[in-house]
Amino acid sequence: NAGVTQTPKFRVLKTGQSMTLLCAQDMNHEYMYWYRQDPGMGLRLIHYSVGEGTTAKGEVPDGYNVSRLKKQNFLLGLESAAPSQTSVYFCASGTASMNTEAFFGQGTRLTVV
Amino acid sequence: RKEVEQDPGPFNVPEGATVAFNCTYSNSASQSFFWYRQDCRKEPKLLMSVYSSGNEDGRFTAQLNRASQYISLLIRDSKLSDSATYLCVVNRRDYKLSFGAGTTVTVRA
Repeated sequence: NAGVTQTPKFRVLKTGQSMTLLCAQDMNHEYMYWYRQDPGMGLRLIHYSVGEGTTAKGEVPDGYNVSRLKKQNFLLGLESAAPSQTSVYFCASGTASMNTEAFFGQGTRLTVV
Repeated sequence: RKEVEQDPGPFNVPEGATVAFNCTYSNSASQSFFWYRQDCRKEPKLLMSVYSSGNEDGRFTAQLNRASQYISLLIRDSKLSDSATYLCVVNRRDYKLSFGAGTTVTVRA
């Protein structure tokens, strides 16, 4: 089982450039999440989705957009990258039950220069 | 105030030692609780869920105190392979996972 797959794994962007991070899961999970992880900050929720066609803002949504056109995919877009968006991005998926674990992708290391 | 707070450590312990640390959460409506483990530059992975009655998984024991809103993790007979960052995770009613910043444990030979 592939589980949760993120692409790309590494990327360097110039300020103002755009990019899309792709998250794909093969576990038929309803819930999908995008987090960013910065030193000393823990994981912070950017956006999440509770099902195909639905998205919602997390605690740090500014500068990001998302789409969930297919149940298995959750895309995170940066329209105009800023140095403050340099981070490690993790996608996760989980079932609708609140007592089960979330599964994470391997992360995307993004540097904006 | 952060929703989930952890002692960042680091806890530096010799092999075979016992190490314990806590996390506190602010949302009394939180429904489920977990400890995740994260190795350097890797994704978080579930270590164990935390139940109201407390639970063990081998050398790991987790406790939940709802009245005081804290969760603890105890590692007995530490191994070198236990060196990692341990993330306290709380699942709220709205299905969003809230993460602590992590507690770093280093086990030395």
